[in-house]
Amino acid sequence: NAGVTQTPKFQVLKTGQSMTLQCAQDMNHEYMSWYRQDPGMGLRLIHYSVGAGITDQGEVPNGYNVSRSTTEDFPLRLLSAAPSQTSVYFCASSYWTGLGETQYFGPGTRLLVL
Amino acid sequence: AQSVTQLDSHVSVSEGTPVLLRCNYSSSYSPSLFWYVQHPNKGLQLLLKYTSAATLVKGINGFEAEFKKSETSFHLTKPSAHMSDAAEYFCVVSEDNDMRFGAGTRLTVKP
Repeated sequence: NAGVTQTPKFQVLKTGQSMTLQCAQDMNHEYMSWYRQDPGMGLRLIHYSVGAGITDQGEVPNGYNVSRSTTEDFPLRLLSAAPSQTSVYFCASSYWTGLGETQYFGPGTRLLVL
Repeated sequence: AQSVTQLDSHVSVSEGTPVLLRCNYSSSYSPSLFWYVQHPNKGLQLLLKYTSAATLVKGINGFEAEFKKSETSFHLTKPSAHMSDAAEYFCVVSEDNDMRFGAGTRLTVKP
């Protein structure tokens, strides 16, 4: 199993550009989520999905869109990038969202918005 | 909503001495609690988790944590630090579909 994979590893954008961060998992996990990591703030939940066709907002959803057409993939879209979205983005997955479920994290995407 | 406070942003210890990373949480009911570790330029790896079973939880690499409901704490300990323990550590509380991370504690291990 490849686990959770993310592409690209690093991206530079100009303000106003759009892009999609890709996330895929091959563990047949129902639950997938996106976090951003900023210095001194830990990880903050952006969006999550409890299964194909179902998504919901997390703690910091503004400026980001998601969709979940398959169990395996959960892309994160930035429609108009802003410098405040410079961050490291992590995708995670788990079998479900029940008590004590372990999250498996991807290696991260480092995004710089100029 | 649940929240987590990691009481130290940076902890420095000498190799072979004990490690204590402190975490307090707030939650509406019985939460799940986790400690994750992140080595430089890497993703996050689960160290241990508490899910309302034994209050003393043992994890990987000699780490353990004790859930104390009366103190709303879930401190991480290790008897003897190793150089490879140098990393950032995150305490996490989970309720329903939402996980909340602490700000992280950077552990430095001096030779």
